[in-house]
Amino acid sequence: AQRVTQPEKLLSVFKGAPVELKCNYSYSGSPELFWYVQYSRQRLQLLLRHISRESIKGFTADLNKGETSFHLKKPFAQEEDSAMYYCALVGKGAQKLVFGQGTRLTINP
Amino acid sequence: ETGVTQSPTHLIKTRGQQVTLRCSSQSGHNTVSWYQQALGQGPQFIFQYYREEENGRGNFPPRFSGLQFPNYSSELNVNALELDDSALYLCASSLVQRTSSYEQYFGPGTRLTVT
Repeated sequence: AQRVTQPEKLLSVFKGAPVELKCNYSYSGSPELFWYVQYSRQRLQLLLRHISRESIKGFTADLNKGETSFHLKKPFAQEEDSAMYYCALVGKGAQKLVFGQGTRLTINP
Repeated sequence: ETGVTQSPTHLIKTRGQQVTLRCSSQSGHNTVSWYQQALGQGPQFIFQYYREEENGRGNFPPRFSGLQFPNYSSELNVNALELDDSALYLCASSLVQRTSSYEQYFGPGTRLTVT
């Protein structure tokens, strides 16, 4: 079964502090992993994907196949990072994105 | 280049009625996917259309059906509405090519309330 788990529904950190949003997945194979973000009053948009290995807005995420995790990290949080974050996977040859429940990140000034 | 648009923005229906939601894909995209997002949950895949044919379906009953048109716009139809169908319905378009990775562009959603 394909499943994405985001254990924290809410996460609050202070501006300038490091932030880590956790994501664990269950999939028998090699999925493609994504992080999507939804800012207030905006649509869901792609933040980053594991195959591109890039850093977007200071965020990075490393796929750990041993731990089946894809945690999202940023060393110094900024107020504009406050948003809803969703981890998602696509199985090889599959058509659908499987989303986690999401984590609401709040950056306090 | 225009983004994904959806209509209507909000909709209120009565249990047992039928509803049609519409989506206009991003220019140049050939695939559209529909998702249901209940309050406090992540989006759940309903189905996908590629070149006007269904190309995968999630765990939704047959009363959820769809269409994709030659201009790649799409409709989601739901018959015999139930209270649990109340949710945000998201449309996402993508350009599926053999060698490209899978990036979907989402619309703003249609908020459906069933009373």
